[in-house]
Amino acid sequence: DTGVSQNPRHKITKRGQNVTFRCDPISEHNRLYWYRQTLGQGPEFLTYFQNEAQLEKSRLLSDRFSAERPKGSFSTLEIQRTEQGDSAMYLCASSGNTEAFFGQGTRLTVV
Amino acid sequence: DQQVKQNSPSLSVQEGRISILNCDYTNSMFDYFLWYKKYPAEGPTFLISISSIKDKNEDGRFTVFLNKSAKHLSLHIVPSQPGDSAVYFCAAQWGSARQLTFGSGTQLTVLP
Repeated sequence: DTGVSQNPRHKITKRGQNVTFRCDPISEHNRLYWYRQTLGQGPEFLTYFQNEAQLEKSRLLSDRFSAERPKGSFSTLEIQRTEQGDSAMYLCASSGNTEAFFGQGTRLTVV
Repeated sequence: DQQVKQNSPSLSVQEGRISILNCDYTNSMFDYFLWYKKYPAEGPTFLISISSIKDKNEDGRFTVFLNKSAKHLSLHIVPSQPGDSAVYFCAAQWGSARQLTFGSGTQLTVLP
């Protein structure tokens, strides 16, 4: 296992389109997190899964955003009807009982 | 409401000298603090952490100090090396979900 893997690395989409990102966590980690990072800021928490259960959602996660983690393995983050303000780096992290390990992120650009 | 603050956006240090990065927090519920390092186009990489019951943790060239009464922590890197040049994020955790609350980062540049 080489760490947390995110796909795609980059995504350019037109405003109004839907996009989906995938995260494959470290296999033995039961906790999975999604964060969003914009320029000049630290990552901001979006949502948290423990195994397949989505236990926490930030108020940043509008109703256009949905995340899933079927069978407690990989996770997907979907953004519907994208807006220019959704342009950001989307980061996935996983952890066991200690520190979180991050993937390389998906850079989303909405044009 | 920014619960974790890094007030210095950038810091330049000469190679071999000490780098000191600072972080302040406001939420007294935080019970664990971490430092992450980030290179461009990569995700954050864990560096070092400290529990709120301790005041110091050391790992090689990296030492984190926690002053709970002042709600302040700092990361010391000594000696600094050019490869340490990166953005450093301070982060904090509390609660069962253990999500991270990050500061805005400090760009460290170590000059050869």
